[in-house]
Amino acid sequence: NAGVTQTPKFRILKIGQSMTLQCTQDMNHNYMYWYRQDPGMGLKLIYYSVGAGITDKGEVPNGYNVSRSTTEDFPLRLELAAPSQTSVYFCASRQAVAFFGQGTRLTVV
Amino acid sequence: GDSVTQMEGPVTLSEEAFLTINCTYTATGYPSLFWYVQYPGEGLQLLLKATKADDKGSNKGFEATYRKETTSFHLEKGSVQVSDSAVYFCALASGGSYIPTFGRGTSLIVHP
Repeated sequence: NAGVTQTPKFRILKIGQSMTLQCTQDMNHNYMYWYRQDPGMGLKLIYYSVGAGITDKGEVPNGYNVSRSTTEDFPLRLELAAPSQTSVYFCASRQAVAFFGQGTRLTVV
Repeated sequence: GDSVTQMEGPVTLSEEAFLTINCTYTATGYPSLFWYVQYPGEGLQLLLKATKADDKGSNKGFEATYRKETTSFHLEKGSVQVSDSAVYFCALASGGSYIPTFGRGTSLIVHP
């Protein structure tokens, strides 16, 4: 099915571990985003990309890294996980009207 | 910078009641405005949008009118159903990049 696919759906990390959240879209959208959703806080933009090879920081980029080697893929890397990174992470694509993935629920313990 | 303020929830209603969820915004230029809905365990999905002043977006019985003079985009529905229970997010996109900015979300709970 066309859309935005995120993996994994759930993950538990220990403090200091690293992981990559995967995101793939098959709609040929140039714009892609990573948001985190915390209870009562809405969605905060972590990083975004306006095309392959181009990425930029959003509102809350500290502790994260991204890359965009292809139009389809936009992985989010967590280095040295901290409890403050416990959240639900959403990948989205398309300029202005965003298409969202199903989310990744990450717990850091 | 751009920002969206929406009423805090939860909003609790009985089935067939009238719904209003308030949303106001601050933005440079002339933003496009959106309402998204999030059902439990899912990502956000677009509910409706409006791209210029006085436009009315509508979908599934929900409506919102772009009011430039009051910088508002309130969501309304005349008769809610239990299946409308979800979290609703107001959002805007403006400027050259049109990257979406979201409000904090308002939880709606509809009782039978």
